[in-house]
Amino acid sequence: GAGVSQSPRYKVAKRGQDVALRCDPISGHVSLFWYQQALGQGPEFLTYFQNEAQLDKSGLPSDRFFAERPEGSVSTLKIQRTQQEDSAVYLCASSLPGSYGYTFGSGTRLTVV
Amino acid sequence: GNSVTQMEGPVTLSEEAFLTINCTYTATGYPSLFWYVQYPGEGLQLLLKATKADDKGSNKGFEATYRKETTSFHLEKGSVQVSDSAVYFCAFLNNAGNMLTFGGGTRLMVKP
Repeated sequence: GAGVSQSPRYKVAKRGQDVALRCDPISGHVSLFWYQQALGQGPEFLTYFQNEAQLDKSGLPSDRFFAERPEGSVSTLKIQRTQQEDSAVYLCASSLPGSYGYTFGSGTRLTVV
Repeated sequence: GNSVTQMEGPVTLSEEAFLTINCTYTATGYPSLFWYVQYPGEGLQLLLKATKADDKGSNKGFEATYRKETTSFHLEKGSVQVSDSAVYFCAFLNNAGNMLTFGGGTRLMVKP
């Protein structure tokens, strides 16, 4: 597609509920990134894929967070047993390898109540 | 560890005023440096970049120069417009090219 598409745009979850956030990268972009942006803060790195391989997951805050990209295109970020501190905007970005240009999606705003 | 420090906002200016948003970084080696902008209700957009020392990135009247000696990448614009009101993020890309580290963002408000 023309840009990085994320869905849903907004998600309200009850504490303890599991959520799944979807990212559709730009066609042909092999690198895909997830970031977490808390209110009033800068984005923080969560994880990175090159094709279907998850090469870095050092930023995932706990084992409740899990990301996958099984066919090297669409990616899903799953959060189990959501907590209030998980409330944030989750941003996805994609790029070509060696490129300086990350294209970000509009994000999914997750609110845990 | 690696980090980016940028001036706290909000920065409030009148239209046509001069803008400076300071940014310094701590990183190993010589990373590529970026400014991203986030308009209300929208995603992050790349504003400008510089990939080596003394490079000047520029776009839409904004400029920033990669200063290796002071590990800085300050954003400037000579005459701001109301439409420049947004949050601006300074960032650097690690040498492996697989992780952007962002500053906390600076909100700019331009009044007519």
